[in-house]
Amino acid sequence: QKEVEQNSGPLSVPEGAIASLNCTYSDRGSQSFFWYRQYSGKSPELIMSIYSNGDKEDGRFTAQLNKASQYVSLLIRDSQPSDSATYLCAVNGVSGGGADGLTFGKGTHLIIQP
Amino acid sequence: EAGVAQSPRYKIIEKRQSVAFWCNPISGHATLYWYQQILGQGPKLLIQFQNNGVVDDSQLPKDRFSAERLKGVDSTLKIQPAKLEDSAVYLCASSLIETQYFGPGTRLLVL
Repeated sequence: QKEVEQNSGPLSVPEGAIASLNCTYSDRGSQSFFWYRQYSGKSPELIMSIYSNGDKEDGRFTAQLNKASQYVSLLIRDSQPSDSATYLCAVNGVSGGGADGLTFGKGTHLIIQP
Repeated sequence: EAGVAQSPRYKIIEKRQSVAFWCNPISGHATLYWYQQILGQGPKLLIQFQNNGVVDDSQLPKDRFSAERLKGVDSTLKIQPAKLEDSAVYLCASSLIETQYFGPGTRLLVL
């Protein structure tokens, strides 16, 4: 059974600093990796996707993937109070018949302190 | 572009009652998913449709949950009979290629 592990937090970071969120996954066959942001009472919103080893940058966000270590991370630079939310790591593996539903971690609750 | 629509947004029922949720995906998205998100946890996949066919329902509690997508567009998820542990947010998502877009969810409370 696929598992995705995240530290539930809360992770408290001062405004303007770098927030670092981490995730490990159990299925070595996983091919696609996603970070979703979820504000309280709202639905998940995609922030980043990453498919190959290395870094992928988009604005203040950088996703990092290391398939050998089965590790995914998300860095948020110049953290803003509006970044305060729960960040969900999700993994999509190779399954028969086109099944590509996501396996999510429990999420890390991030608090940006003004 | 309109997003994924879901209704109702909130539902309160007593245990052993039945309930149904509706989802309308983004226009043109062939793949539709239903997820269950219990408070404090990440979403858990219940069922995936490709057009009107079921691709994956391995985590759907089939003794009480059912879902259909008859014309390959809208979908309904039903719970009958509901249990206390079914209290959760039920999220519908759709995708064209790989990125999944989530609807606002239906918050279910079973008393």
